[in-house]
Amino acid sequence: DIQMTQSPSSLSASVGDRVTITCRASQSISSYLNWYQQKPGKAPNLLIYGASSLQSGVPSRFSGSGSGTDFTLTISSLQPEDFATYYCQQSYSSPRTFGQGTKVEIK
Amino acid sequence: EVQLVQSGAEVKKPGESLKISCKGSGYSFISYWIGWVRQMPGKGLEWMGIIYPGNSDTRYSPSFQGQVTISADKSISTAYLQWSSLKASDTAMYYCARRMAVAGRPGDGSYWYFDLWGRGTLVTVSS
Repeated sequence: DIQMTQSPSSLSASVGDRVTITCRASQSISSYLNWYQQKPGKAPNLLIYGASSLQSGVPSRFSGSGSGTDFTLTISSLQPEDFATYYCQQSYSSPRTFGQGTKVEIK
Repeated sequence: EVQLVQSGAEVKKPGESLKISCKGSGYSFISYWIGWVRQMPGKGLEWMGIIYPGNSDTRYSPSFQGQVTISADKSISTAYLQWSSLKASDTAMYYCARRMAVAGRPGDGSYWYFDLWGRGTLVTVSS
């Protein structure tokens, strides 16, 4: 299985901050990388697919970059509704593993 | 409305069997893979497996192979996740999700992702 490692596991930030979350794959996965947001008690919601393509309806403050083994999710200006847990997922090979999650909390 | 509607919460005893469901509507159910994702209490997401309702082609994560059975009934646009003998460690929220595929960049194949999720079914296994 491909292992996905996110960093940090949690972070505290203020509204308006620029936030960056990193995801590293245990082997090259080209651009087969998705990002999801999950709020407490809710199902995950797709933000980014193909490492950098923004899902329809997702605010443009979210962006993704990277290829190969190292990927980044950036929130350009954190909004109150962005406090949540974020997961990366590789879609390169089965099983399509997720990272362990990064919890973004209010500072 | 395009949606996946999951069956309600379950409370079971160890050793009991269980089958939970995920009904799709508003789109061609047989044309998209449906995946199952486990989330244990306070933990992250785990990809369990996936089924293509059109022909019931099924793939499992090695971690879940033999532990659960994924099936589908295309006549009623419903996918299922079942256990023959539950354990306390099966206590979790289980989500179904539709897998979408889009053409990738030059040199890549299709990008796959879960674009539509059910609300989840909470399964509690306790004596």
